[in-house]
Amino acid sequence: AQKITQTQPGMFVQEKEAVTLDCTYDTSDPSYGLFWYKQPSSGEMIFLIYQGSYDQQNATEGRYSLNFQKARKSANLVISASQLGDSAMYFCAMKYGNEKLTFGTGTRLTIIP
Amino acid sequence: DAGVTQSPTHLIKTRGQQVTLRCSPKSGHDTVSWYQQALGQGPQFIFQYYEEEERQRGNFPDRFSGHQFPNYSSELNVNALLLGDSALYLCASSPGLAGVTDTQYFGPGTRLTVL
Repeated sequence: AQKITQTQPGMFVQEKEAVTLDCTYDTSDPSYGLFWYKQPSSGEMIFLIYQGSYDQQNATEGRYSLNFQKARKSANLVISASQLGDSAMYFCAMKYGNEKLTFGTGTRLTIIP
Repeated sequence: DAGVTQSPTHLIKTRGQQVTLRCSPKSGHDTVSWYQQALGQGPQFIFQYYEEEERQRGNFPDRFSGHQFPNYSSELNVNALLLGDSALYLCASSPGLAGVTDTQYFGPGTRLTVL
Protein backbone atom coordinates (compact mmCIF):
# COMPACT_ATOMS: atom_id res chain seq x y z
CA ALA A 1 0.00 0.00 0.00
CA GLN A 2 1.08 3.53 -0.67
CA LYS A 3 2.21 5.60 2.29
CA ILE A 4 3.36 9.20 2.63
CA THR A 5 5.24 10.44 5.69
CA GLN A 6 5.74 14.07 6.65
CA THR A 7 7.72 14.22 9.89
CA GLN A 8 7.61 17.99 10.50
CA PRO A 9 4.29 18.99 12.07
CA GLY A 10 5.31 22.65 12.13
CA MET A 11 8.12 24.91 10.98
CA PHE A 12 9.00 28.55 11.61
CA VAL A 13 11.18 30.32 9.03
CA GLN A 14 12.42 33.88 8.74
CA GLU A 15 11.11 35.81 5.76
CA LYS A 16 13.40 35.65 2.67
CA GLU A 17 15.10 32.48 3.86
CA ALA A 18 14.84 29.18 2.00
CA VAL A 19 12.90 26.34 3.58
CA THR A 20 12.83 22.59 2.99
CA LEU A 21 9.74 20.53 3.79
CA ASP A 22 10.39 16.81 4.13
CA CYS A 23 8.43 14.01 2.51
CA THR A 24 9.17 10.30 2.27
CA TYR A 25 7.03 7.75 0.52
CA ASP A 26 6.64 4.03 0.23
CA THR A 27 5.41 2.16 -2.83
CA SER A 28 6.37 -0.98 -4.71
CA ASP A 29 5.04 0.33 -8.01
CA PRO A 30 7.78 1.60 -10.38
CA SER A 31 5.50 4.22 -11.95
CA TYR A 32 4.10 6.90 -9.67
CA GLY A 33 3.61 10.62 -9.36
CA LEU A 34 4.50 12.87 -6.44
CA PHE A 35 2.65 16.12 -5.77
CA TRP A 36 2.88 19.02 -3.35
CA TYR A 37 -0.14 21.09 -2.42
CA LYS A 38 -0.49 24.25 -0.32
CA GLN A 39 -3.54 24.74 1.85
CA PRO A 40 -4.08 28.26 3.27
CA SER A 41 -6.46 28.80 6.13
CA SER A 42 -9.26 29.28 3.60
CA GLY A 43 -9.15 25.53 2.94
CA GLU A 44 -8.53 25.30 -0.80
CA MET A 45 -5.77 22.89 -1.86
CA ILE A 46 -3.48 24.69 -4.30
CA PHE A 47 -1.32 22.56 -6.61
CA LEU A 48 2.35 23.57 -6.46
CA ILE A 49 4.56 21.04 -8.21
CA TYR A 50 4.66 17.54 -9.72
CA GLN A 51 7.46 14.95 -10.07
CA GLY A 52 7.13 11.73 -12.03
CA SER A 53 9.02 8.63 -10.94
CA TYR A 54 10.75 8.37 -14.32
CA ASP A 55 11.70 12.05 -14.52
CA GLN A 56 15.48 12.41 -14.70
CA GLN A 57 15.57 15.99 -13.46
CA ASN A 58 14.12 17.57 -10.36
CA ALA A 59 10.94 19.53 -11.00
CA THR A 60 10.94 23.31 -10.59
CA GLU A 61 8.08 25.85 -10.65
CA GLY A 62 9.12 29.41 -9.90
CA ARG A 63 10.24 29.56 -6.27
CA TYR A 64 9.33 25.90 -5.72
CA SER A 65 11.61 22.99 -6.45
CA LEU A 66 11.35 19.33 -5.61
CA ASN A 67 14.44 17.53 -4.34
CA PHE A 68 13.69 14.02 -5.65
CA GLN A 69 15.91 11.23 -4.33
CA LYS A 70 14.41 8.05 -5.74
CA ALA A 71 16.70 5.55 -3.99
CA ARG A 72 15.87 7.11 -0.63
CA LYS A 73 12.17 7.46 -1.56
CA SER A 74 12.33 11.11 -0.68
CA ALA A 75 10.55 14.07 -2.33
CA ASN A 76 11.32 17.21 -0.36
CA LEU A 77 9.83 20.57 -1.32
CA VAL A 78 12.21 23.54 -1.34
CA ILE A 79 10.80 27.06 -1.25
CA SER A 80 13.35 29.74 -2.03
CA ALA A 81 13.17 33.30 -0.70
CA SER A 82 10.14 32.67 1.50
CA GLN A 83 7.38 35.27 1.69
CA LEU A 84 4.73 36.00 4.32
CA GLY A 85 2.10 34.61 1.93
CA ASP A 86 3.82 31.23 2.07
CA SER A 87 2.42 30.65 5.56
CA ALA A 88 0.06 27.68 5.18
CA MET A 89 -0.26 23.91 5.51
CA TYR A 90 1.75 21.96 2.97
CA PHE A 91 0.81 18.45 1.90
CA CYS A 92 2.85 15.87 0.03
CA ALA A 93 0.79 13.38 -1.98
CA MET A 94 1.39 10.39 -4.25
CA LYS A 95 -0.57 8.45 -6.84
CA TYR A 96 0.07 5.67 -9.33
CA GLY A 97 -1.99 4.63 -12.34
CA ASN A 98 -5.50 5.90 -12.06
CA GLU A 99 -5.46 5.54 -8.33
CA LYS A 100 -6.44 8.10 -5.76
CA LEU A 101 -4.13 10.66 -4.28
CA THR A 102 -2.69 9.53 -0.95
CA PHE A 103 -1.76 12.45 1.29
CA GLY A 104 0.63 12.88 4.17
CA THR A 105 -0.36 14.53 7.44
CA GLY A 106 1.00 17.89 6.39
CA THR A 107 3.47 20.48 7.67
CA ARG A 108 2.31 23.84 8.99
CA LEU A 109 4.75 26.50 7.75
CA THR A 110 4.86 29.89 9.44
CA ILE A 111 6.93 32.69 7.92
CA ILE A 112 8.20 35.20 10.47
CA PRO A 113 8.65 38.83 9.32
CA ASP B 1 -10.88 29.93 -17.14
CA ALA B 2 -13.15 28.89 -14.27
CA GLY B 3 -11.60 26.66 -11.67
CA VAL B 4 -13.31 23.99 -9.60
CA THR B 5 -16.36 25.32 -7.78
CA GLN B 6 -18.21 23.81 -4.85
CA SER B 7 -21.45 24.60 -3.07
CA PRO B 8 -22.42 25.32 -0.43
CA THR B 9 -19.43 26.83 1.37
CA HIS B 10 -20.64 25.89 4.82
CA LEU B 11 -23.37 23.58 6.06
CA ILE B 12 -24.72 22.71 9.48
CA LYS B 13 -26.78 19.53 9.94
CA THR B 14 -27.92 17.38 12.83
CA ARG B 15 -27.26 13.69 13.38
CA GLY B 16 -29.36 11.39 11.22
CA GLN B 17 -30.00 13.95 8.51
CA GLN B 18 -28.94 13.68 4.89
CA VAL B 19 -26.76 16.14 2.97
CA THR B 20 -25.89 16.81 -0.69
CA LEU B 21 -22.73 18.62 -1.73
CA ARG B 22 -22.13 19.84 -5.25
CA CYS B 23 -19.07 20.28 -7.46
CA SER B 24 -18.42 21.70 -10.92
CA PRO B 25 -15.09 20.67 -12.44
CA LYS B 26 -12.50 22.90 -14.06
CA SER B 27 -13.18 23.66 -17.70
CA GLY B 28 -11.94 20.81 -19.90
CA HIS B 29 -11.91 18.26 -17.05
CA ASP B 30 -14.19 15.22 -17.01
CA THR B 31 -13.06 13.32 -13.92
CA VAL B 32 -14.18 14.27 -10.43
CA SER B 33 -12.81 12.94 -7.15
CA TRP B 34 -14.11 13.60 -3.65
CA TYR B 35 -12.04 13.77 -0.46
CA GLN B 36 -12.86 14.14 3.22
CA GLN B 37 -10.48 16.16 5.38
CA ALA B 38 -10.98 15.93 9.12
CA LEU B 39 -9.53 18.67 11.28
CA GLY B 40 -5.75 18.43 11.52
CA GLN B 41 -5.43 15.61 9.00
CA GLY B 42 -4.68 15.13 5.34
CA PRO B 43 -7.52 14.52 2.87
CA GLN B 44 -8.86 10.98 2.56
CA PHE B 45 -10.15 9.69 -0.77
CA ILE B 46 -13.88 8.93 -0.89
CA PHE B 47 -14.54 8.07 -4.54
CA GLN B 48 -13.91 9.09 -8.15
CA TYR B 49 -16.33 9.55 -11.04
CA TYR B 50 -15.62 9.32 -14.75
CA GLU B 51 -18.13 8.97 -17.58
CA GLU B 52 -20.93 9.13 -15.03
CA GLU B 53 -19.71 5.99 -13.26
CA GLU B 54 -17.98 5.44 -9.95
CA ARG B 55 -14.49 4.24 -10.95
CA GLN B 56 -12.76 3.91 -7.61
CA ARG B 57 -13.82 4.01 -4.00
CA GLY B 58 -11.95 4.55 -0.77
CA ASN B 59 -12.68 3.03 2.61
CA PHE B 60 -15.98 4.79 3.24
CA PRO B 61 -19.35 3.21 4.13
CA ASP B 62 -22.29 3.02 1.76
CA ARG B 63 -23.81 6.04 3.50
CA PHE B 64 -21.53 7.98 1.17
CA SER B 65 -22.78 7.95 -2.40
CA GLY B 66 -22.32 10.11 -5.44
CA HIS B 67 -23.39 10.94 -8.91
CA GLN B 68 -21.89 12.52 -12.00
CA PHE B 69 -24.00 14.34 -14.56
CA PRO B 70 -23.53 14.55 -18.35
CA ASN B 71 -21.96 18.01 -17.95
CA TYR B 72 -19.32 16.36 -15.66
CA SER B 73 -20.56 18.08 -12.50
CA SER B 74 -20.92 15.85 -9.47
CA GLU B 75 -22.78 15.44 -6.21
CA LEU B 76 -21.74 13.81 -2.97
CA ASN B 77 -24.55 12.50 -0.78
CA VAL B 78 -24.17 11.44 2.83
CA ASN B 79 -27.07 9.72 4.59
CA ALA B 80 -27.67 9.17 8.30
CA LEU B 81 -25.11 11.77 9.32
CA LEU B 82 -22.84 11.03 12.28
CA LEU B 83 -20.87 13.49 14.39
CA GLY B 84 -17.72 12.01 12.85
CA ASP B 85 -18.80 13.16 9.40
CA SER B 86 -17.95 16.73 10.37
CA ALA B 87 -15.12 17.69 8.04
CA LEU B 88 -14.04 19.72 5.03
CA TYR B 89 -15.19 17.99 1.86
CA LEU B 90 -12.98 18.68 -1.11
CA CYS B 91 -13.77 18.09 -4.74
CA ALA B 92 -10.97 17.69 -7.27
CA SER B 93 -11.12 17.51 -11.04
CA SER B 94 -8.67 16.19 -13.63
CA PRO B 95 -8.58 15.71 -17.41
CA GLY B 96 -9.56 12.10 -17.77
CA LEU B 97 -7.90 8.96 -16.47
CA ALA B 98 -4.42 10.01 -17.51
CA GLY B 99 -2.48 8.06 -14.92
CA VAL B 100 0.40 9.27 -12.79
CA THR B 101 0.80 12.56 -14.66
CA ASP B 102 -2.80 13.42 -13.92
CA THR B 103 -2.79 16.52 -11.71
CA GLN B 104 -5.93 16.98 -9.66
CA TYR B 105 -7.12 20.54 -9.09
CA PHE B 106 -9.17 21.21 -5.99
CA GLY B 107 -12.12 23.41 -5.22
CA PRO B 108 -12.49 25.59 -2.11
CA GLY B 109 -14.30 22.85 -0.20
CA THR B 110 -17.53 22.57 1.74
CA ARG B 111 -17.23 22.65 5.50
CA LEU B 112 -19.82 20.35 7.03
CA THR B 113 -20.65 20.51 10.71
CA VAL B 114 -22.84 17.80 12.24
CA LEU B 115 -24.41 18.64 15.61
